[in-house]
Amino acid sequence: DIQMTQSPSLLSASVGDRVTINCKASQNINKYLNWYQQKLGEAPKLLIYNTNNLQTGIPSRFSGSGSGTDYTLTISSLQPEDFGTYFCFQHNSWMYTFGAGTKLELK
Amino acid sequence: EVQLMETGGGLVQPGKSLKLTCATSGFTFSTAWMNWVRQSPEKGLEWIARIKPKSTNYATEYAESVKGRFTISRDDSKSSIYLQMNSLKEEDTATYYCTRQLGYWGQGVMVTVSS
Repeated sequence: DIQMTQSPSLLSASVGDRVTINCKASQNINKYLNWYQQKLGEAPKLLIYNTNNLQTGIPSRFSGSGSGTDYTLTISSLQPEDFGTYFCFQHNSWMYTFGAGTKLELK
Repeated sequence: EVQLMETGGGLVQPGKSLKLTCATSGFTFSTAWMNWVRQSPEKGLEWIARIKPKSTNYATEYAESVKGRFTISRDDSKSSIYLQMNSLKEEDTATYYCTRQLGYWGQGVMVTVSS
């Protein structure tokens, strides 16, 4: 299995901050990396697919980058509705795997 | 509008069976790769099963944690997928989500395995 290690597990930030969340795969995943946002009681919502492609309807303050084993989600200017938990996900191998999540909370 | 809705969850005893249904609309179901993903506080998000379209002879794949106990199936005439869960264990307790290739998700259904 490909292991996905996310960091940090908890991130405290303020509205307007620039934040980054990292995800490291245990092997090359060829940019087959998605990012999801989840709010309490809701299903995960796709933000970015295949490293840097913004899902329809997602604000441009979200962006993704990376290659090989290292990937990053960046929120350029945090908005109140951005607080929640973020997950990375790889679909390079037939057995998909998720990161453990980064909880983004209000400082 | 793409919609997915899971039903069939509930409380079940260890060793028993349960069948989940996911009804969909708003997209071409017959060509879609469909998946089940579950989430628990202990294990986080876990992909568990996938079924591909008729063109692949409805190929299926499973995570090791459910292989041999769970069966994913689909009915293209009803735009629905199913998850037959047998020999349930307490560690199968989770919210189960149906997803169209991890892009669109249902709201989830809770399964609790407990005596």
